[in-house]
Amino acid sequence: EVQLVESGGEVVRPGGSLRLSCAASGFTFDDYAMSWVRQTPGKGLEWVSGINWNGDTTGYGDSMKGRFTISRDNAKKSLYLQMNSLTAEDTALYHCARVDSSGDWYFDLWGRGTLVTVSS
Amino acid sequence: DIQMTQSPSSLSASVGDRVTITCRSSQAFSNSLAWYQQKPGKAPKLLLYAASRLESGVPSRFSGSGSGTDYTLTISSLQPEDFATYYCQQFYSVPWTFGQGTKVEI
Repeated sequence: EVQLVESGGEVVRPGGSLRLSCAASGFTFDDYAMSWVRQTPGKGLEWVSGINWNGDTTGYGDSMKGRFTISRDNAKKSLYLQMNSLTAEDTALYHCARVDSSGDWYFDLWGRGTLVTVSS
Repeated sequence: DIQMTQSPSSLSASVGDRVTITCRSSQAFSNSLAWYQQKPGKAPKLLLYAASRLESGVPSRFSGSGSGTDYTLTISSLQPEDFATYYCQQFYSVPWTFGQGTKVEI
């Protein structure tokens, strides 16, 4: 089955760190760029970060630059998001998403998300 | 950053109705727009890309149009399984940005 399954979300204190993972299955992972998109009731969907197929090109949303690091391990068919200096505003459901094979940055496959809660 | 504004934020409709959702961008671009559907507790699902191109497997009652700053998602005859929240997304320039969503309710 073609799917993305996120993990690693939990409750973390402000200023803390967390690493999210996304396991891909059912498709050739290293054929695709990948992204993280987060979702909150208040702000809706927000693009967090993206990475190209081999990991040598990455991009970040404005509020994530310098705090978040995206990476991937094609041998393990996995995507990661290292999040540091977390604040309450990072509380969200974090989705892993596959970038369409055309190279245009819309997302043709999503995971159901992993919940990150930043709270003291 | 390009701001995407959807309208309405919610609407009530009945099975069989024609439904139109609008997405307006703060900057003009040519067709670099996607539409997604999300049901509670589920992952978003791609419906259309390049403003009007239907993703494989998506019913033909969904259609998209527009250019420049104004884009539209139309459901020609609303079905029970279409009650969900719909989002637009521009992929013209980084950071990729989404509309705030339109909830379609019974």
